[in-house]
Amino acid sequence: EVQLVESGGNLVQPGGSLRLSCATSGFTFSAHFMDWVRQAPRKGLEWVGRTKSKTYSYTTEYAASVKGRFTISRDDSKNSLYLQMNSLQTEDTAVYYCAKSVRWGDRSYMDVWGKGTTVTVSS
Amino acid sequence: DIQLTQSPSFLSTSVGDRVTITCRASQGISSYLAWYQQEPEKAPKLLIYAASTLQSGVPSRFSGSGSGTEFTLTISSLQPEDFATYYCQQLHSYPLTFGGGTKVEIK
Repeated sequence: EVQLVESGGNLVQPGGSLRLSCATSGFTFSAHFMDWVRQAPRKGLEWVGRTKSKTYSYTTEYAASVKGRFTISRDDSKNSLYLQMNSLQTEDTAVYYCAKSVRWGDRSYMDVWGKGTTVTVSS
Repeated sequence: DIQLTQSPSFLSTSVGDRVTITCRASQGISSYLAWYQQEPEKAPKLLIYAASTLQSGVPSRFSGSGSGTEFTLTISSLQPEDFATYYCQQLHSYPLTFGGGTKVEIK
């Protein structure tokens, strides 16, 4: 069974940093693109960013709202995904989901999601 | 960035009804579109990808259609477990973007 379990969410002050982790199992992690998506309270879904697989040189892509502040990384040896968040702002308060993507044609779609971890940025 | 506009944003309907949700893209995205269902306090679930391909395990009452700039998600006969919020997402180009969501509630 494919499983994704996020951790690391916490209460942090504005300007602070936090590192989220996503532990995975049940699939060949190294072969898949992985994404972070967030959802602010009572709001819709917002894509945060993506890391591609080794085949695609581990290229990363980010939403404009987090570019330069957030960094996505992965450790294929540990089947784990990470999100380093710096210079956190109150508007970064959200549930953060990691998602596994599956290739179909020339695109990768988010087919399995974790349950999420909550980040609250507040003084 | 590609904007996705979903309509309606809210739908009050009954069990057994046929439901159609529209997603319009600000520019052509070929068929690079996915639909997700999100129940309250739960993670999103992939329903449809590549605009019209049903994800494994998803009931056949769900279907997707469209290409270019206009897409639809149809639920042929709404079931109690289908009351949720639905999102479209484009995967044509980065940044990937989601529509604003359509909340389907019981009338």
